[in-house]
Amino acid sequence: KQEVTQIPAALSVPEGENLVLNCSFTDSAIYNLQWFRQDPGKGLTSLLLIQSSQREQTSGRLNASLDKSSGRSTLYIAASQPGDSATYLCAVKDTGNQFYFGTGTSLTVIP
Amino acid sequence: DGGITQSPKYLFRKEGQNVTLSCEQNLNHDAMYWYRQDPGQGLRLIYYSQIVNDFQKGDIAEGYSVSREKKESFPLTVTSAQKNPTAFYLCASGHLDRGPGNTIYFGEGSWLTVV
Repeated sequence: KQEVTQIPAALSVPEGENLVLNCSFTDSAIYNLQWFRQDPGKGLTSLLLIQSSQREQTSGRLNASLDKSSGRSTLYIAASQPGDSATYLCAVKDTGNQFYFGTGTSLTVIP
Repeated sequence: DGGITQSPKYLFRKEGQNVTLSCEQNLNHDAMYWYRQDPGQGLRLIYYSQIVNDFQKGDIAEGYSVSREKKESFPLTVTSAQKNPTAFYLCASGHLDRGPGNTIYFGEGSWLTVV
């Protein structure tokens, strides 16, 4: 069964710093990998989706990479802002239309 | 606006009671999902449905029940058999297409607390 792990579980950085969040998965037979943002007490909002044939996706200050063969993805956030404070979750979609989620990284950006 | 609506946002359940969480979507999605989220843990799949009048158990279905009588609606009942129901419940939906571009959309969640 697919297992998704995120490291670190929590991260605190000063405003303006660049940072990297990590996601690893055990089964490389995936259709895509997504990064989501979750604010406290809210649902998940999709940030970036990387298809299995792609290596990276970019949206504004966010860049996500995927190395399917090694079972790893990173989310790079440039010039962090206090508004980026949230929990970030990665999820992989398997061939059976199921999604597997990591436990998330709780990010705090200190003004 | 298109989206997924969950209600109620907050719900309190007494011991031994059944409660039902509502999930409605107007995105014309075939697939709908219910997840449970506990503090410090990832999302765990309770039930999912890919077509009206059909649904499958997820990893933690015991103590829960669902129905899918309409494409737009996928209510979740938390029964008295669920011994530890206090959690944040998330409903999601997506297209049935199994392609690599397929994403999943979430509602705002419902908090259930046992009192």
